[in-house]
Amino acid sequence: EDQVTQSPEALRLQEGESSSLNCSYTVSGLRGLFWYRQDPGKGPEFLFTLYSAGEEKEKERLKATLTKKESFLHITAPKPEDSATYLCAVQATAGNNRKLIWGLGTSLAVNP
Amino acid sequence: ETGVTQSPTHLIKTRGQQVTLRCSSQSGHNTVSWYQQALGQGPQFIFQYYREEENGRGNFPPRFSGLQFPNYSSELNVNALELDDSALYLCASSFNMWSEQFFGPGTRLTVL
Repeated sequence: EDQVTQSPEALRLQEGESSSLNCSYTVSGLRGLFWYRQDPGKGPEFLFTLYSAGEEKEKERLKATLTKKESFLHITAPKPEDSATYLCAVQATAGNNRKLIWGLGTSLAVNP
Repeated sequence: ETGVTQSPTHLIKTRGQQVTLRCSSQSGHNTVSWYQQALGQGPQFIFQYYREEENGRGNFPPRFSGLQFPNYSSELNVNALELDDSALYLCASSFNMWSEQFFGPGTRLTVL
């Protein structure tokens, strides 16, 4: 069964303290892996798409990487405004189902 | 470029009633997906519309139905509301059925 697991569930960092969030996936053929940021009560905001193992994408303090089994979202020198829930989703190539399979997210709090 | 918009922002209904939620897709996007997100959970896929045709459905009962219009805007209809239908309903549009999805702000539905 296709599945996405994110860890940790929650993470509290001091401003400037770098860390990584993990997204492990089991899918019958990966078409794409997506990272989103979600603020409370709002819709997810698109961050990155990764398609193949070894691929990396960067945006400001965020860098996403992909292997055959997992993806990491590295946060370098975070600021309080980076506090949010970070969601990972995968899309499979198999069958006729194009739906995104989502993890439960990592809730990140960055203290000033 | 106008992003994805949803209406209404908030809605309160009673059990057994019917509700219609609306979504305007981003300019140039022909695919709309609908999700239900309970508190502390990842989005759950309801269904996707591509060029006015339903193009995949998640594990939701038939009382969840939808429509996509020629201008690619969309509606989500839920009949016979149940208490468990209380959630944030998210609409996302994409350039095609495989590309990254861009979300609206969501509609918060409360069923009493």
